[in-house]
Amino acid sequence: DTEVTQTPKHLVMGMTNKKSLKCEQHMGHRAMYWYKQKAKKPPELMFVYSYEKLSINESVPSRFSPECPNSSLLNLHLHALQPEDSALYLCASSQELGVGNQPQHFGDGTRLSIL
Amino acid sequence: KQEVTQIPAALSVPEGENLVLNCSFTDSAIYNLQWFRQDPGKGLTSLLLIQSSQREQTSGRLNASLDKSSGRSTLYIAASQPGDSATYLCAVNQAGTALIFGKGTTLSVSS
Repeated sequence: DTEVTQTPKHLVMGMTNKKSLKCEQHMGHRAMYWYKQKAKKPPELMFVYSYEKLSINESVPSRFSPECPNSSLLNLHLHALQPEDSALYLCASSQELGVGNQPQHFGDGTRLSIL
Repeated sequence: KQEVTQIPAALSVPEGENLVLNCSFTDSAIYNLQWFRQDPGKGLTSLLLIQSSQREQTSGRLNASLDKSSGRSTLYIAASQPGDSATYLCAVNQAGTALIFGKGTTLSVSS
C-alpha cells in the first residue's frame, strides 16, 4: 500500500473546466513534489515544496497552480488546460529536500485526460 | 545539465535468469541515486536508494551498485521471475532540483 495518497485516480475534463488534484501523506515529510509523466516517457519535475513553501518551479505554465495548505497536503489546481496536458500526474514526498539518505515516496498518480 | 541514460531500453529473458540493468549519468555531483519499478498505468515503487558515499545496496534478489566517479549504476536482479516484469527507472537527486529520471528499461520475464 502506498503511503502517499492521490485523488482522484482518474479525471476527465474539458479545456474550460477548473479542477484540482489532491495529494496527502502522513509520514511527517516536509518536502513534497509534483511530477508529470507522459505515456512511455519518464516523469518530469513540475514543482517542489519544502516546509510548505514553493522551492522549485520548473517553468510550468500558469494554468497549473500548486498549493500546499499544510505539511500533509499538496494540491494542484488546473484551469484552461490543453489536450497536450493529458498525462499521469504523480505526487511524491521525502523527509527533507536535498538530503542524501532519504528516498522519495510516490503515490499511484492521477490519470488526467483533457477533451 | 544532468542527463541520465538507461541501457538497454527493453529486455526479454526467460524465468530464472540473472540480469543487469545499466544507468549512467553525466554530472557526478549527486546526493543519491534511486531505482524504481513502475507497472503499466501505475505509480513508482522505490526499490533501492544508494547515497553518494555508498557503493552498493541490497534488498532481497536486488543489488544496486554505484560508481559516482564514472557516473554509472547497475541494478542486478537474481533469479528473475515473471512478476519482475515492469519498467525499471533510475533517477539521480541533486542540488537545485529533485529527481532526474532516465527513460527506463522495460523488462519482460517469460515463464
